[in-house]
Amino acid sequence: DAKTTQPNSMESNEEEPVHLPCNHSTISGTDYIHWYRQLPSQGPEYVIHGLTSNVNNRMASLAIAEDRKSSTLILHRATLRDAAVYYCILRSGAGSYQLTFGKGTKLSVIP
Amino acid sequence: GAVVSQHPSRVICKSGTSVKIECRSLDFQATTMFWYRQFPKQSLMLMATSNEGSKATYEQGVEKDKFLINHASLTLSTLTVTSAHPEDSSFYICSARAGTSNYGYTFGSGTRLTVV
Repeated sequence: DAKTTQPNSMESNEEEPVHLPCNHSTISGTDYIHWYRQLPSQGPEYVIHGLTSNVNNRMASLAIAEDRKSSTLILHRATLRDAAVYYCILRSGAGSYQLTFGKGTKLSVIP
Repeated sequence: GAVVSQHPSRVICKSGTSVKIECRSLDFQATTMFWYRQFPKQSLMLMATSNEGSKATYEQGVEKDKFLINHASLTLSTLTVTSAHPEDSSFYICSARAGTSNYGYTFGSGTRLTVV
């Protein structure tokens, strides 16, 4: 499986934008870029995903580099409820479609 | 949106007994479900992939006779931890996707298993 690299932790002030980076230099042409987040003692929650173009939804935006070797999850206004571990995952467009979780980025939001 | 219901949320069992965890897709048919295990302060580790009507595919190092997976219908997969031991204590999480979807995966809320 193609791997991703994320910072272990990040901090943000409440109500400010947050940019969570992810490197995936070995991404293949059929790999989708998925983002999930996990609050303590809960299952992960889907945030957003994309293939080549930037994506927006009600939770976040996903900016994908032109060469697809990196991406950035953007939370436009961080709230205390956004404090979680954020996982960037490459999901193959073929095969078993499984998600392999890395260590993720622990986001802390400061009031 | 797609909802996956996982039960129980917490269970305590004695060593040597078996525990069954259920994972249901409430508003969609899940041809494939995934089972993960998560130890404290660690990431999720994929245990197995279950496909409706066929045998589960286990990841390397996961004992298929200890972690029995049944995916008998398009809305229900179960994980049975047999002859549980204290080292099986963990957070178990299921996930589901519809067969033709390229959308995000939906996760259950997890089951905290404590073996005493």
